Amino acid sequence: SQKIEQNSEALNIQEGKTATLTCNYTNYSPAYLQWYRQDPGRGPVFLLLIRENEKEKRKERLKVTFDTTLKQSLFHITASQPADSATYLCALMNYGGSQGNLIFGKGTKLSVKP
Amino acid sequence: GAGVSQSPSNKVTEKGKDVELRCDPISGHTALYWYRQSLGQGLEFLIYFQGNSAPDKSGLPSDRFSAERTGGSVSTLTIQRTQQEDSAVYLCASSLALQTSGGWEETQYFGPGTRLLVL
Repeated sequence: SQKIEQNSEALNIQEGKTATLTCNYTNYSPAYLQWYRQDPGRGPVFLLLIRENEKEKRKERLKVTFDTTLKQSLFHITASQPADSATYLCALMNYGGSQGNLIFGKGTKLSVKP
Repeated sequence: GAGVSQSPSNKVTEKGKDVELRCDPISGHTALYWYRQSLGQGLEFLIYFQGNSAPDKSGLPSDRFSAERTGGSVSTLTIQRTQQEDSAVYLCASSLALQTSGGWEETQYFGPGTRLLVL
């Protein structure tokens, strides 16, 4: 069956450390993968997109990797801050999919302690 | 320069009543999505509109759920004879697909959601 899984429901880290979140998928052939941030009581907000032929993408303190052999994307936040505390969702666009085939994971709740 | 807006922000209703949830997408976005998010759960796809094409209703959980999109803009999600298990946050998103050298890309822009509580 097709699955998209994020490694843990919650991740607690100390301020200043690097947070690493995992997104694994099964039986999909993603054209690209996206990461979103969701704060309590708000809708998700787009952060980064990485295509299947890209290994790594960076934006400020954020880094995303995409390994199509492992069928995995890693999302890193370096020098984490309490303001980074939120739920992070991965979403993939399956090959052959037109609009409407963006599939979301359940999210990982990140808490950064001062 | 507004983003996606939804109304009402909160709705409390009694079991068996009908409710209507509204979504105003970003102007010019051709695609509109409805999702449901229960407490601690991921996004559950409900329905998708693209331009004038027939909507993809494959995610609607029962025939009590329906949605319309008038004039390719505003959308209304209607839940008839609400049940307690319908309680959730209902999120709307809009997007504009772009064709790049790498293929089609879309980014979904979400509204703040409507929190529905069925008593």
